[in-house]
Amino acid sequence: KQEVTQIPAALSVPEGENLVLNCSFTDSAIYNLQWFRQDPGKGLTSLLLIQSSQREQTSGRLNASLDKSSGRSTLYIAASQPGDSATYLCAVRSASGGSYIPTFGRGTSLIVHP
Amino acid sequence: EAQVTQNPRYLITVTGKKLTVTCSQNMNHEYMSWYRQDPGLGLRQIYYSMNVEVTDKGDVPEGYKVSRKEKRNFPLILESPSPNQTSLYFCASSTSTGVDEKLFFGSGTQLSVL
Repeated sequence: KQEVTQIPAALSVPEGENLVLNCSFTDSAIYNLQWFRQDPGKGLTSLLLIQSSQREQTSGRLNASLDKSSGRSTLYIAASQPGDSATYLCAVRSASGGSYIPTFGRGTSLIVHP
Repeated sequence: EAQVTQNPRYLITVTGKKLTVTCSQNMNHEYMSWYRQDPGLGLRQIYYSMNVEVTDKGDVPEGYKVSRKEKRNFPLILESPSPNQTSLYFCASSTSTGVDEKLFFGSGTQLSVL
């Protein structure tokens, strides 16, 4: 069964720092991996989706990479801002076993202070 | 605007009183699903639907029912709610279950069962 782990669980940084959030998964047979942002008490907003055949995706200050062989993805946030404060979750869509149940990590709670 | 709409946003009920949480999407998505989010446990899938009249269990289906009579709607039914179903619930949809599908989430329903 796919397991997804996100490290660190929480992170507090000063504004302007470049950040790396980590997501690891146990089964490398995946369709895709998606990064989300969740603000307190609210829904998830998709940030980036990386297909299994891709190595990275970029959107503005965000860059996500995927290394299937090592079971890892990283979300890089450049020049962090207080508005980036939120919980970031990754979700893996597995390709094995015919499962259509994406597996979510428990998230990294990020605080960017001015 | 493309969106997933859940109602109600907040719901307080008593044990045993049947309730329905509605979910509707306007993107003509085939795939729809329900999740619950609990502190320390993360997001867990309750049920999903690949298309009209096609539903299947997720990781935590006990105590829940769903139906998919129309493509755009996927209501979550709690026939006899219990306090352990107090949680934050999310509906999500996507175009398919292939490599390029992106999950879109509703804003969530905070349910309290007394």
